[in-house]
Amino acid sequence: KNEVEQSPQNLTAQEGEFITINCSYSVGISALHWLQQHPGGGIVSLFMLSSGKKKHGRLIATINIQEKHSSLHITASHPRDSAVYICAVREGGGADGLTFGKGTHLIIQP
Amino acid sequence: NAGVTQTPKFRVLKTGQSMTLLCAQDMNHEYMYWYRQDPGMGLRLIHYSVGEGTTAKGEVPDGYNVSRLKKQNFLLGLESAAPSQTSVYFCASSWKAYGYTFGSGTRLTVV
Repeated sequence: KNEVEQSPQNLTAQEGEFITINCSYSVGISALHWLQQHPGGGIVSLFMLSSGKKKHGRLIATINIQEKHSSLHITASHPRDSAVYICAVREGGGADGLTFGKGTHLIIQP
Repeated sequence: NAGVTQTPKFRVLKTGQSMTLLCAQDMNHEYMYWYRQDPGMGLRLIHYSVGEGTTAKGEVPDGYNVSRLKKQNFLLGLESAAPSQTSVYFCASSWKAYGYTFGSGTRLTVV
C-alpha cells in the first residue's frame, strides 16, 4: 500500500506570502492529485499530474517521478486560500480509487 | 449543475439503527466511490463500483453495504450503525479513474 506523507501538517502565513506544501509517496504511481477542502465543505480537485508541472491562476503543482515527490505552490496568498490541501495518488490504471495523505491545514492571515 | 450530489448532508443515528446514503452523478461516469474521512486520517475507501450492477470492497468495508442498480446512483447502507461509524462520508465519481469529482459530504453521527 502506498504511504502518502504531506508536510507541513499545519501552516499559518501572512497574506501575500509564497506558500509551498509538499507530498511524498512510497510506491510508483500513475497519477497524483491535489485537492482542496474548505472548512465544513466539499472536496474540489485542483490538479492531476503524471509528470512535470501545471499552473492554474496563482496555483502551481510540480511532480518529480524519480524522487516520488510533488509540491503545491501558492503565489501571492490570500485569506480565501485558507483550506485543507490534500495530496492523493493513484497506482496503475486500476479502478480501486486513490490513496490520500492526511492533508495540510493552511491559514492565511490578513 | 453537473456534479455529484449526496443526500442527506447531516444525520444523527442511534446505535443499531439503519440508514442509506445516496450519491447521484449526472456526468455519465463509470466509476463511483464511497470514502470516509476521520480526524487525523486521510480519506479511506469503503466500497467502489466500476459500472452498473458491479461493486467491490475497499480498504474499510466492514459494516457497510452498497448497491449500483443504476449507472448514475451509488447507495451506501449501514445495516446496524455503531459509534465507530461516526464520520464524514464522501462520494466521488470518475471517468476511467482519471479526473475525480467529489460530493459535498454527509456528516453522520452515531450516538
